[in-house]
Amino acid sequence: AQSVTQLGSHVSVSEGALVLLRCNYSSSVPPYLFWYVQYPNQGLQLLLKYTTGATLVKGINGFEAEFKKSETSFHLTKPSAHMSDAAEYFCAVSAPFSGGYNKLIFGAGTRLAVHP
Amino acid sequence: SQTIHQWPATLVQPVGSPLSLECTVEGTSNPNLYWYRQAAGRGLQLLFYSVGIGQISSEVPQNLSASRPQDRQFILSSKKLLLSDSGFYLCAWSAGTGVSDTQYFGPGTRLTVL
Repeated sequence: AQSVTQLGSHVSVSEGALVLLRCNYSSSVPPYLFWYVQYPNQGLQLLLKYTTGATLVKGINGFEAEFKKSETSFHLTKPSAHMSDAAEYFCAVSAPFSGGYNKLIFGAGTRLAVHP
Repeated sequence: SQTIHQWPATLVQPVGSPLSLECTVEGTSNPNLYWYRQAAGRGLQLLFYSVGIGQISSEVPQNLSASRPQDRQFILSSKKLLLSDSGFYLCAWSAGTGVSDTQYFGPGTRLTVL
């Protein structure tokens, strides 16, 4: 069965510092992986997704993630944090659903705080 | 472009009262539609899934129900709310059912049951 673990429910960085949000997955089939961001009291916005091909995926707002099959990881990074990056970040894996469809399995989320 | 709306944005209801949350999608046809619940400090839990009008799949048993009366309308309901129904309810849509299909989320409804 597919599952997602996000290490660290809270991460705090200084403005301008590297952002690293960790995500490990478990999947019995080749995984399709997603990162979403949620600002307070808003819906989720897709940052990036990995399907097949290049293992380094670039997303919006300067974020990128690298798919490492050997480590079953899909960590999210950004070289320089901005105050506007403060939000909650969710990693998700696509999983088989009843009736032959697929659904997203989400991690518990990581809240990123950025301080001056 | 496609947009997804949810109504209302916030709702405060007493225990035992009924519930109706609405989700509508614009700019696409025959979307797959989803209802998720996000409880405080927790991730997202898939509640219902629909691939077409009148077709609803339930992920977990609960006192909630869903309906899809029109192609781009998805409604979440309850006859009697429980305290445990409090949370942030998110509607999402996707164009297909493949493993790589992206789900796009609405702005959410904050439900507080007192």
